[in-house]
Amino acid sequence: QKEVEQNSGPLSVPEGAIASLNCTYSDRGSQSFFWYRQYSGKSPELIMFIYSNGDKEDGRFTAQLNKASQYVSLLIRDSQPSDSATYLCAVKEVNFGNEKLTFGTGTRLTIIP
Amino acid sequence: EPEVTQTPSHQVTQMGQEVILRCVPISNHLYFYWYRQILGQKVEFLVSFYNNEISEKSEIFDDQFSVERPDGSNFTLKIRSTKLEDSAMYFCASRERWGGEETQYFGPGTRLLVL
Repeated sequence: QKEVEQNSGPLSVPEGAIASLNCTYSDRGSQSFFWYRQYSGKSPELIMFIYSNGDKEDGRFTAQLNKASQYVSLLIRDSQPSDSATYLCAVKEVNFGNEKLTFGTGTRLTIIP
Repeated sequence: EPEVTQTPSHQVTQMGQEVILRCVPISNHLYFYWYRQILGQKVEFLVSFYNNEISEKSEIFDDQFSVERPDGSNFTLKIRSTKLEDSAMYFCASRERWGGEETQYFGPGTRLLVL
């Protein structure tokens, strides 16, 4: 069973600071990684995806991937109260051409005004 | 912006009853998925569907579950005889053709409560 691990939190960060969310995965062959944001009672909403080692920036968000360490992270700069949500790390598994997402349990982030 | 839609938003049913959850995927998407999330737990894959047949299913997707694409737009999940442990949020997702954008876009979900 392929696993995706996240610290469940809660992680509390002051408004304006950088929030750092981490995720590790068990399948060394995984190629595609996604960060979703989920507000309470709502569906996962895509923030970013990353396929290559290194950093990928999109506005206030930066995803970092290190395939050798099987580690992916999400940095949120200038954190806002509206960033308070659960952040889900998802890894795409491909099996004989069929794909699915395996999710971590999510990290609950609270931005303190 | 195109989005995945789901109906109903909430469904309450008695144990043993059949329920059908409906989804309209994004119109040019070809791959469809159902996931579920039990309250307080992680999002879990149920089934994937392509070219009018199931591509892959998880251990959760037993004989009580079925999926169908009855027409060109709807994608349904049927639970034949609901159990208490089927209570969860059910999310439909869709993605583009193979080789296109890999992202799976999620619908708003149906909250199913089995009493």
